[in-house]
Amino acid sequence: DVKVTQSSRYLVKRTGEKVFLECVQDMDHENMFWYRQDPGLGLRLIYFSYDVKMKEKGDIPEGYSVSREKKERFSLILESASTNQTSMYLCASSSGGLNEQFFGPGTRLTVL
Amino acid sequence: ILNVEQSPQSLHVQEGDSTNFTCSFPSSNFYALHWYRWETAKSPEALFVMTLNGDEKKKGRISATLNTKEGYSYLYIKGSQPEDSATYLCAPDTGRRALTFGSGTRLQVQP
Repeated sequence: DVKVTQSSRYLVKRTGEKVFLECVQDMDHENMFWYRQDPGLGLRLIYFSYDVKMKEKGDIPEGYSVSREKKERFSLILESASTNQTSMYLCASSSGGLNEQFFGPGTRLTVL
Repeated sequence: ILNVEQSPQSLHVQEGDSTNFTCSFPSSNFYALHWYRWETAKSPEALFVMTLNGDEKKKGRISATLNTKEGYSYLYIKGSQPEDSATYLCAPDTGRRALTFGSGTRLQVQP
């Protein structure tokens, strides 16, 4: 059974903290993605990676950075968390071809 | 940013009703169109991937059609059941590896 896992389901952080969200996939996929989901806005792409150490900005990269040191792991970093980064964060992975994405369970982050 | 529109935003139907929703997207640079179902407290799951104009896909009571020339796709659910309650997302693929998702149609089916 294919799997994308995320390090936490729920996370509460304080403004200004550095936050790491981890994502691991076991499907040997080249592509990995970070999205955030907010009510009425659907899934918005933050960053994606198409290979180890390669990354591209998505539609809303401001305030975020990413790291992909190993093929199976893609990390989202909030350098200095702010309240407007309170959201649901979803990680996904895909291979080439039809680019079907497989999603993790999500991390609900609250920044106080 | 690609403009992907889904309508309606939300829908309440009775068990047994048939329903349909629309996904509109720019017809240029089209590669594929994805539909996902996202149930509460679960991860989004792929329903269909369609690539050709006129494509029709079916999975049980759910089907989808694609018109790439005019840039739209319809998702149909025949005889809705409470377990169909979910948010349905569409996402065109323009070949850039990442998908751009619409804001979704939230369906609630009342028993």
